[in-house]
Amino acid sequence: LAKTTQPISMDSYEGQEVNITCSHNNIATNDYITWYQQFPSQGPRFIIQGYKTKVTNEVASLFIPADRKSSTLSLPRVSLSDTAVYYCLVGAHTNAGKSTFGDGTTLTVKP
Amino acid sequence: DGGITQSPKYLFRKEGQNVTLSCEQNLNHDAMYWYRQDPGQGLRLIYYSQIVNDFQKGDIAEGYSVSREKKESFPLTVTSAQKNPTAFYLCASSIQRGWDSNQPQHFGDGTRLSIL
Repeated sequence: LAKTTQPISMDSYEGQEVNITCSHNNIATNDYITWYQQFPSQGPRFIIQGYKTKVTNEVASLFIPADRKSSTLSLPRVSLSDTAVYYCLVGAHTNAGKSTFGDGTTLTVKP
Repeated sequence: DGGITQSPKYLFRKEGQNVTLSCEQNLNHDAMYWYRQDPGQGLRLIYYSQIVNDFQKGDIAEGYSVSREKKESFPLTVTSAQKNPTAFYLCASSIQRGWDSNQPQHFGDGTRLSIL
């Protein structure tokens, strides 16, 4: 199973771009990389998913280098409402249910 | 609106008592999951089910039991054998296609269980 490592916490200011990196050195060939956002007392919410190179949607971008041993979630122009815990999850359908959530990165956006 | 409903939002358990947490989804998803989250920590997998009438243990299944009699429902029972049940419990579901890996999980809003 691919274990992930993320920074425990990060601080930023409104309007800045935030990059959160996740290390997954033993990622398998079939594994995808998925990021979730969680607010207190709520379930995590899907943000973005990718397999290689770059993926962009309306809220974030995901950068994955060629060796896929790490990935970076990029949040453009954060606001106070982006203060949350962000989880990087690595896993594949063939190991359904075996993807592991780490402890996540607590992002605090300051005014 | 489609989604996952967990009930109750708060639940209290007496010592030696079994309690059942409800999870219902109307997303027509095949796979369902139960996670436990302790304060300041990530999610740990308790049980998951890929199809009706089948389920597998996750990382911390001891003291818990599940059933999957219907596609829409995946109740979790916290038994008296679980000595430290106080936690936030999250249910999730996802599409499970053989040819399409890694469908994102959709989560409910959780049940917070406490010991009286």
